[in-house]
Amino acid sequence: QSALTQPASVSGSPGQSITISCTGSSSDVGGYNYVSWYQQHPNKAPKLLIYDVNNRPSGVSNRFSGSKSGNTASLTISGLQAEDEADYYCSSYTASTALSFVFGTGTKVTV
Amino acid sequence: EVQLVETGGGLIQPGGTLRLSCAASGFTVNINYMSWVRQAPGKGLELVSVMYSGGSAYYADSVKGRFTISRDNSKNTVSLQMNSLRAEDTAIYFCARGIAGSDYAFDYWGQGTLVTVSS
Repeated sequence: QSALTQPASVSGSPGQSITISCTGSSSDVGGYNYVSWYQQHPNKAPKLLIYDVNNRPSGVSNRFSGSKSGNTASLTISGLQAEDEADYYCSSYTASTALSFVFGTGTKVTV
Repeated sequence: EVQLVETGGGLIQPGGTLRLSCAASGFTVNINYMSWVRQAPGKGLELVSVMYSGGSAYYADSVKGRFTISRDNSKNTVSLQMNSLRAEDTAIYFCARGIAGSDYAFDYWGQGTLVTVSS
């Protein structure tokens, strides 16, 4: 099972909105509403931002939102802040393996 | 408060054995699904293994037959037994808890433990 495809880097200025894409196939992103997004700061553990395409866990800022169209999921960060500078990973259920999970390649966001 | 604390990492020679442990607090490990996720130096995330509440366990192809996930309900811990270690197993290993209400996301993560496989 290959990793989901994300852009290597995305940048934006404070206050702007940016969108990170996550492209898979009909066996994962496109076939199921089980896409999640994680934020990881350097030398820290990942933090769940979005699950099941567009659900935010309690405590996560509403500046983060998720969506999906076809085989591509997206994470939008609005009102970009300096603290948003981090790596972002998508993940999806996949029917291709017994393990059922696949992560994306990761995107470095620079503010 | 939910907390996950991993221990057991270290430097090990190729072919060696290591056992990682994840001590959970604030919830019981047999209620949620639990996983081990690793991250090689400078690389992305890779799910290594997941164990569901019913006890079924699954593994990445890269570790199948070498790694075993287990759970001790009395100690509220999840462990990863790693045998026949290879250089490519070098990574930070995170323990993560599956979120309630969804089968495919992890809402709490430990701080990670570093495993280095080298002679």
